[in-house]
Amino acid sequence: AQSVTQLDSQVPVFEEAPVELRCNYSSSVSVYLFWYVQYPNQGLQLLLKYLSGSTLVKGINGFEAEFNKSQTSFHLRKPSVHISDTAEYFCAVTPGTGGYNKLIFGAGTRLAVHP
Amino acid sequence: EPEVTQTPSHQVTQMGQEVILRCVPISNHLYFYWYRQILGQKVEFLVSFYNNEISEKSEIFDDQFSVERPDGSNFTLKIRSTKLEDSAMYFCARAGGSGVRNSPLHFGNGTRLTVT
Repeated sequence: AQSVTQLDSQVPVFEEAPVELRCNYSSSVSVYLFWYVQYPNQGLQLLLKYLSGSTLVKGINGFEAEFNKSQTSFHLRKPSVHISDTAEYFCAVTPGTGGYNKLIFGAGTRLAVHP
Repeated sequence: EPEVTQTPSHQVTQMGQEVILRCVPISNHLYFYWYRQILGQKVEFLVSFYNNEISEKSEIFDDQFSVERPDGSNFTLKIRSTKLEDSAMYFCARAGGSGVRNSPLHFGNGTRLTVT
């Protein structure tokens, strides 16, 4: 079985500052990794995904994440945040074999960008 | 604009009543999913649906829940007799791309269910 831990429930940050949202996962098999964002009163939007290949993946809105197999981590980063990045961010995994039927989500990290 | 449309956006119902939540994918895909998010908690998998059959379901998806795709387009989640603890945001999702593996899920904006 897989599980996801997002170490920070809330991350306050000032506008134009860098940010890192942490995600660790546990799995006995290889996994695919995802970050989703949820803006207020909206659904879940895919930010980026790691399937294979380069461990540094770039997504929308200037976000990137790095897959670290030895540390079982997939931290999300942005070098300079905007007010509009204020949202809930979810890390998710799915097994990398056998097709996938479900995403396992972390508890989420609320990013609050202040002026 | 989401690739999956969910209706209604908000549903208020009394305990013990039946509710039907609807999901309409824009394009014709075969893999569908329901997730729920109780306020302040993580997003949880409920059920996956492939080719008009349930392919996997979680422990949450008990006999009170059912899914179907009655007209080949709308994908519905029915809760037969709602309980207070069913209050949550319910998300429909479909698999993107040409296959299930490697393709991320595309979520709708959700239906907020409030059971009173």
